Amino acid sequence: GDSVTQMEGPVTLSEEAFLTINCTYTATGYPSLFWYVQYPGEGLQLLLKATKADDKGSNKGFEATYRKETTSFHLEKGSVQVSDSAVYFCALRREGAQKLVFGQGTRLTINP
Amino acid sequence: KAGVTQTPRYLIKTRGQQVTLSCSPISGHRSVSWYQQTPGQGLQFLFEYFSETQRNKGNFPGRFSGRQFSNSRSEMNVSTLELGDSALYLCASSLDRDRGNGYTFGSGTRLTVV
Repeated sequence: GDSVTQMEGPVTLSEEAFLTINCTYTATGYPSLFWYVQYPGEGLQLLLKATKADDKGSNKGFEATYRKETTSFHLEKGSVQVSDSAVYFCALRREGAQKLVFGQGTRLTINP
Repeated sequence: KAGVTQTPRYLIKTRGQQVTLSCSPISGHRSVSWYQQTPGQGLQFLFEYFSETQRNKGNFPGRFSGRQFSNSRSEMNVSTLELGDSALYLCASSLDRDRGNGYTFGSGTRLTVV
């Protein structure tokens, strides 16, 4: 079945450091890929998305590129801030499906 | 515009009781999905409704059920609560069933079963 694998957390960085959170997936066909962020005590917020190979999603300084050849959708940010501290989820939605399949989440903590 | 609204935000129930959670989607969104989030299992899909019809169901026991009303509002019900049902229950709505659209999530209902 479909699955998403994220890098193990937690991840702790200093402010202004470069961030990469790895995400790989297994799915038939060409799924859409998403990154969601969850702040403490809140639901999930859509951070960015990509619907086809080589698409680059970007938002709030975060970027991720849909790599079909490596089945990956790694999240990157050039300079993180304390306010980026949250849990990040990679997810996929297969064509024709009405559900998201999530990775296990990566907790990110940014220290000032 | 208003986001996805879930009520109540917090609930404490006793084993064996039943509970009903409510979700109001973004205006115009006809697809509503429910997810369970726990530290051990992560985010798991419960079911999805579109135009009052359940289109998809996750791998949960029959104690978990839901419905959608003509105004797209949705409820989920859990009967005969177990301790393991303690979780954050998230509702998400989508404009349509196009795979390119992401879902908009509510803030969730935190259910604690004691």
